[in-house]
Amino acid sequence: AQSVTQLDSQVPVFEEAPVELRCNYSSSVSVYLFWYVQYPNQGLQLLLKYLSGSTLVKGINGFEAEFNKSQTSFHLRKPSVHISDTAEYFCAVRSNDYKLSFGAGTTVTVRA
Amino acid sequence: NAGVMQNPRHLVRRRGQEARLRCSPMKGHSHVYWYRQLPEEGLKFMVYLQKENIIDESGMPKERFSAEFPKEGPSILRIQQVVRGDSAAYFCASSQTGGETQYFGPGTRLLVL
Repeated sequence: AQSVTQLDSQVPVFEEAPVELRCNYSSSVSVYLFWYVQYPNQGLQLLLKYLSGSTLVKGINGFEAEFNKSQTSFHLRKPSVHISDTAEYFCAVRSNDYKLSFGAGTTVTVRA
Repeated sequence: NAGVMQNPRHLVRRRGQEARLRCSPMKGHSHVYWYRQLPEEGLKFMVYLQKENIIDESGMPKERFSAEFPKEGPSILRIQQVVRGDSAAYFCASSQTGGETQYFGPGTRLLVL
């Protein structure tokens, strides 16, 4: 099974500043990568996914992520955050089956 | 197109009671997955079902937990004789096929007193 490491458990950031959330996974022949966001007391919403093709993936709400196979990373970025981006963010990985393996999550708190 | 539906959203049970969690997949989706999120942790896979079939239950505790996805109606995750350690958020996801992107419901937050 894949293991997923989200290197930062808490990320405080000021409004309109950039943010990067780091995600590393254990190596595998081929992987599919996902970022989900969870707003307080809500379910998980898909932000973006990498299945194949271009290593730079654009998602909803201005987020993007870059797949780096040599570093087994899939870091999430946003150039300018809003208060409404305050949430928990989960990186997830799937190999050639159906099970998603999740990281422990990164809580982003955006301050005015 | 309605998303994945789960009910109840919140469930409180006393130790020893049964908890029954329901999940209706997105329209057109016939694959359902259950995940559990313990406090301060990421989601952990529990079980994968298709209509009338359990495909993989490797993440389910060996006792007290069961899941089904009948031909008609929602998928049900059943926890018998709940204990305090069962307190968690239980999320259901669905996909069109087994290898497709999984879309998640809002979760059921179970609290065992």
